Amino acid sequence: SQQGEEDPQALSIQEGENATMNCSYKTSINNLQWYRQNSGRGLVHLILIRSNEREKHSGRLRVTLDTSKKSSSLLITASRAADTASYFCATGDNYGQNFVFGPGTRLSVLP
Amino acid sequence: SQTIHQWPATLVQPVGSPLSLECTVEGTSNPNLYWYRQAAGRGLQLLFYSVGIGQISSEVPQNLSASRPQDRQFILSSKKLLLSDSGFYLCAWSKTPLPYNEQFFGPGTRLTVL
Repeated sequence: SQQGEEDPQALSIQEGENATMNCSYKTSINNLQWYRQNSGRGLVHLILIRSNEREKHSGRLRVTLDTSKKSSSLLITASRAADTASYFCATGDNYGQNFVFGPGTRLSVLP
Repeated sequence: SQTIHQWPATLVQPVGSPLSLECTVEGTSNPNLYWYRQAAGRGLQLLFYSVGIGQISSEVPQNLSASRPQDRQFILSSKKLLLSDSGFYLCAWSKTPLPYNEQFFGPGTRLTVL
């Protein structure tokens, strides 16, 4: 089944450093989405990257997609304490089915 | 602009009691609506989705049911709660069916079944 799996499960960095999280999946996808969740809150959509795209940027966020390796990465540059949250990738196939969230990466940015 | 509301924010219920969680969306019409459950420290599990009034699809068999009595209202229910129903319940909407567009999430309801 389609499954996004984030790596690492947890990441702790100092403020100002870059944070990189990875997501792997198993089958062909229509797009891959990254979401952020602050503790005890709803999810917020960050970036959607389509299967024919290789890289997208949004502010300090950079997402890459390698469909040959079935993987994506989320890079947060110049991290801030406010970036502390859990980050999830989600994938869905071309048939509009099997939309699945991974277990997430818990990012801690230390001041 | 569009907003999504969920209530209550927290709920503590005894085993065997009924459940009703409500979600409403404002500022859009014909939204696709979703109910997710999130176990502590885990990813999201899609429970139900709806593409229109009275149209409900269930992703996994469980002790829960969903209804969509109005275009922008989505209700999650149970007749008798189990301990395993505890979790964080999230409602979401999207303009088009998954996976073609982003989802917008509500603030969630934390349910504890004792």
